[in-house]
Amino acid sequence: IQLTQSPSSLSASVGDRVTITCRASQGLGTFLAWYQQKPGKAPKLLIYAASTLQTGVPSRFSGSGSGTDFTLTISSLQPEDFATYYCLQLNTYPHTFGQGTKLEIK
Amino acid sequence: EVQLLESGGTLVQPGGSLRLSCAASGFTFSNYAMSWVRQAPGKGLEWVSGIWSSGGSAYYADSVKGRFIISRDNSKNTLYLQMNSLRAEDTAKYYCAKYNSNSYLYDLDVWGQGTTVTVSS
Repeated sequence: IQLTQSPSSLSASVGDRVTITCRASQGLGTFLAWYQQKPGKAPKLLIYAASTLQTGVPSRFSGSGSGTDFTLTISSLQPEDFATYYCLQLNTYPHTFGQGTKLEIK
Repeated sequence: EVQLLESGGTLVQPGGSLRLSCAASGFTFSNYAMSWVRQAPGKGLEWVSGIWSSGGSAYYADSVKGRFIISRDNSKNTLYLQMNSLRAEDTAKYYCAKYNSNSYLYDLDVWGQGTTVTVSS
């Protein structure tokens, strides 16, 4: 299953609302997760089952979607949110990641 | 504290072999499916392989199928990745990660810090 994230990169300002999309080549149900990765660090789980917020993740992060179209929304960007974001499908082996979306400061 | 600690990464020649290990602690290792994920320098994440809690079933990315073997020793709380016929494109940081369960897999919720494999002559 191919996952296509858009955009591949994004410039935004602190306080902006940002949406990243992940489109799958086949239906996934809700077997999709979102990760944040900062340089030199391991990925951090943000959202699982398409829309469930991982414990400890700020509520400004939210996920939605099912089937083939999913979104990750950050309601009000904070300085610590500038990072690269990945979606991961766990519906079918081999599991696959999207290519990533790099979120940069404008 | 739930922890995963990878080891075994090093410089290896093309065509060579290497075994990575991942020591787990802070949770009941035998209850969870596990995975290896890699990241080439400056590139995105690539799922490499996954294995059920019992070790009875294993899955691979097409890019490593037939060359890599995932295994686990539940008595030692350790996950392994045997890497054979290594190629330059296998150069990456390799992460060990834990699935949320062994049945309905919704995420990889715990990650190690990674071990670096460099394939070069």
